Amino acid sequence: SALTQPASVSGSPGQSIILSCTGTDSDVGAYNFVSWYQQHPGKAPKLMLYDVRFRPSGVSHRFSGSKSGNTASLTVSGLQADDEADYFCSSYTNSSLVVFGGGTRLTVL
Amino acid sequence: EVLLVESGGHLVQPGGSLRLSCAASGFMFGNYWMTWVRQAPGKGLEWVANIHQRGNERYYSESVRGRFTVSRDNAKNSLFLQMNSLRAEDTGVYYCSRGSQRFSDYWGQGTLVSVSS
Repeated sequence: SALTQPASVSGSPGQSIILSCTGTDSDVGAYNFVSWYQQHPGKAPKLMLYDVRFRPSGVSHRFSGSKSGNTASLTVSGLQADDEADYFCSSYTNSSLVVFGGGTRLTVL
Repeated sequence: EVLLVESGGHLVQPGGSLRLSCAASGFMFGNYWMTWVRQAPGKGLEWVANIHQRGNERYYSESVRGRFTVSRDNAKNSLFLQMNSLRAEDTGVYYCSRGSQRFSDYWGQGTLVSVSS
């Protein structure tokens, strides 16, 4: 089943926020193959982090990732207006498949 | 520049079939796993299927297994998704992406599939 993400999170410009992504021993807890995607309305998803904590070229250092047990986290530091978007986590599973979270709507106040 | 362009999406009746295509450019297509992900209107992302570089390994989500078939033509830098026995719940935007089960680093803009009578 889908990974669990809070439906919405908000923060003010300059603040830091943490988005959580909770799975099970069969996915998030079993592998360090958690990735995060940012999606602006009407646009394609964009890879922000892979393998829990690694940033692709071009992604701001304000985005960082971690994992503890069955929960992965995405931290966005120094919130900016353009960070307002939907964020989805995903994980490899022990069935050799992929499961996504339901997504978190990040609002910059 | 990596570019992925999906096509083939349109309105189809329940029980019908559709074949989506994804044209890739800007990278060595034959060196990468490729993936299909979909998104129902107003909903989250759902992983659909992926295929190994040589096409000899394919994986499907439980919701499409037995109805959808992913394939590729490395000579034509193209990825395909044959969708049969379509249902209303298959409606959504279908994205082609470069990557394996670990992650997808490039995505197309998507093609819309609508299943309705």
